Amino acid sequence: DVKVTQSSRYLVKRTGEKVFLECVQDMDHENMFWYRQDPGLGLRLIYFSYDVKMKEKGDIPEGYSVSREKKERFSLILESASTNQTSMYLCASSFGTSSYNEQFFGPGTRLTVL
Amino acid sequence: GNSVTQMEGPVTLSEEAFLTINCTYTATGYPSLFWYVQYPGEGLQLLLKATKADDKGSNKGFEATYRKETTSFHLEKGSVQVSDSAVYFCALRRGSWGKFQFGAGTQVVVTP
Repeated sequence: DVKVTQSSRYLVKRTGEKVFLECVQDMDHENMFWYRQDPGLGLRLIYFSYDVKMKEKGDIPEGYSVSREKKERFSLILESASTNQTSMYLCASSFGTSSYNEQFFGPGTRLTVL
Repeated sequence: GNSVTQMEGPVTLSEEAFLTINCTYTATGYPSLFWYVQYPGEGLQLLLKATKADDKGSNKGFEATYRKETTSFHLEKGSVQVSDSAVYFCALRRGSWGKFQFGAGTQVVVTP
């Protein structure tokens, strides 16, 4: 089974803190993604990566950065957390460039910024 | 640009009722279409997909047909169970590198 794991299910941080969210996949997928999920807005793409050390901005990259030093690991970084970054964060991965290939999701990290 | 529009929820049904969740899309080219399901406290998991016009995806009693003429991919199930209570997301694959465009999600609540 494909497995995507995220480092925390729940996280509480204070405004201004630097926050790291980690994601690991075990299926040798090239592509990895970070989304945030908010009620009524669905999933919005923050950043994605199609190879080690490669990264591309998604639809809402402001306030976030990412790191992909190894193929299996994709980290999302909040340089200075703010209350409007309170959300559910979902990591996903997929194989190759075929339009048929699905994305596999982790369980999510619910981040609260106080 | 590409977009996905789903009917708003929550949709509340009794067990064994018929479920339809409408999904329409706008996209250039010929996207692949997907339905994902998110059970409480979990991440999303693929429910079904269709990769070309007139394809029908099916899984766990759910079905959806890729209708290019109406740019739709409506999800249906003939007899829902309490365990089908979840949030359902319609999505299309856009561009290269496996980027997806998701709808806002539709919460379905099935009561005994």
